[in-house]
Amino acid sequence: ETGVTQTPRHLVMGMTNKKSLKCEQHLGHNAMYWYKQSAKKPLELMFVYSLEERVENNSVPSRFSPECPNSSHLFLHLHTLQPEDSALYLCASSQDVVTPGELFFGEGSRLTVL
Amino acid sequence: GNSVTQMEGPVTLSEEAFLTINCTYTATGYPSLFWYVQYPGEGLQLLLKATKADDKGSNKGFEATYRKETTSFHLEKGSVQVSDSAVYFCALSDRGGATNKLIFGTGTLLAVQP
Repeated sequence: ETGVTQTPRHLVMGMTNKKSLKCEQHLGHNAMYWYKQSAKKPLELMFVYSLEERVENNSVPSRFSPECPNSSHLFLHLHTLQPEDSALYLCASSQDVVTPGELFFGEGSRLTVL
Repeated sequence: GNSVTQMEGPVTLSEEAFLTINCTYTATGYPSLFWYVQYPGEGLQLLLKATKADDKGSNKGFEATYRKETTSFHLEKGSVQVSDSAVYFCALSDRGGATNKLIFGTGTLLAVQP
C-alpha cells in the first residue's frame, strides 16, 4: 500500500461508547497530524506528532486522546463524545514539522455520534 | 492571528467556462501559500503552491499567483471540466510555536455541469 490509510471509513457510536480511529502512513514521513473537518468551517488542526512525540495540542477536549506508537501509525481514541463531535476526521503526514511543505491526507473517517 | 478567507460556494459552472476562486489571507511574516483539492469521497491533495511574493503556482491547468500587495492567492483555470468538480481549499503555512502548520480556509465547492 502507498500513501495514508485510515480505518474505519465510517463509524457510528453512542455517547457512552469507546472507539478508536487508526491511521497508517507508508511514506517514510516523520510528522503526523489529526484534523477535524466540519461543514462550513475551516479544517481544525487537533494534534501534531513529530517522531512519535506530541508537539502540538490545540485545546482539544480530553474526550479525544491521541496515540502515536511509532512514526508510521497514529490513533485517535474516542470516549464519551458529544453529537457536535460528528465530523470527518482526517489524518495527514509530512516529511517533517519544520519545512512548509506538502501534507499527504488519508480519505478520512466519517464519525457520527448519536 | 493568521487566517485565510475564501469565497463561499457553491460555484456552479458549465464545462469549458473560466474559473476564479478568491482567496485572501492575513499573516505576519512571509508565509507559503497553497491550494488543496478534495474530490468526492477522498482526502485532500495538494494542487499547487507558491513560496514567495509574485511566485505563480500551476498544475493541471490551474494557476494562482502570490500577491503580497493585495494579500491574495486567487485560483484560476481557463476551461473547467466535469472532472474538476470538487472542494478547493486555500491554505497558508503558519510558523507558530514549534511547528510549521497549515491554516486552511473553509473550502469552496465547485460543481461543473456538462
